Amino acid sequence: DVKVTQSSRYLVKRTGEKVFLECVQDMDHENMFWYRQDPGLGLRLIYFSYDVKMKEKGDIPEGYSVSREKKERFSLILESASTNQTSMYLCASSSTPIYEQYFGPGTRLTVT
Amino acid sequence: TQLLEQSPQFLSIQEGENLTVYCNSSSVFSSLQWYRQEPGEGPVLLVTVVTGGEVKKLKRLTFQFGDARKDSSLHITAAQPGDTGLYLCAATSGTYKYIFGTGTRLKVLA
Repeated sequence: DVKVTQSSRYLVKRTGEKVFLECVQDMDHENMFWYRQDPGLGLRLIYFSYDVKMKEKGDIPEGYSVSREKKERFSLILESASTNQTSMYLCASSSTPIYEQYFGPGTRLTVT
Repeated sequence: TQLLEQSPQFLSIQEGENLTVYCNSSSVFSSLQWYRQEPGEGPVLLVTVVTGGEVKKLKRLTFQFGDARKDSSLHITAAQPGDTGLYLCAATSGTYKYIFGTGTRLKVLA
């Protein structure tokens, strides 16, 4: 079974802090994704990576950056957290860009 | 802009009833997935459909991809409280970018 794990289930940070969210997948997938999920807005793509050190902006990249130094690990970085970044963050991976994304359990981030 | 519209948005039914959830678009997709998400958890993949007219069954759940690959339906027979959750459809036109529906929140009452 595909397993995608995220470093924290719940996180509380203060405005202005630098925040790291880590995601690890164990199925050797090429592609990894970061989404945020907000009530009424659904899932929105923040960043996508199709290979080590490769990344592409999604629909809402502002205020975020990513790092992929190893194939299995994809990190989301909030350079200076703001209250409007309070959200559920979901990591996903897939073996091709076409089929079947597998999601991690999510990180509920609260910025105060 | 590609959109996936799900209906209904909310559904509250009694245990044992049948229900159908719809996922519609004006765009053609190469594949479509259905997920179930429970509160505080990530979405869990239920099924992927890729061929127009394809029907897949997963126990009491039946999934169908429209002939023109623009829409899909999820039918649940004899719903149980364990079916409660947010059902999401997601589709792609063959790129990395997935379009997600806004979801159908299902509550099955015992």
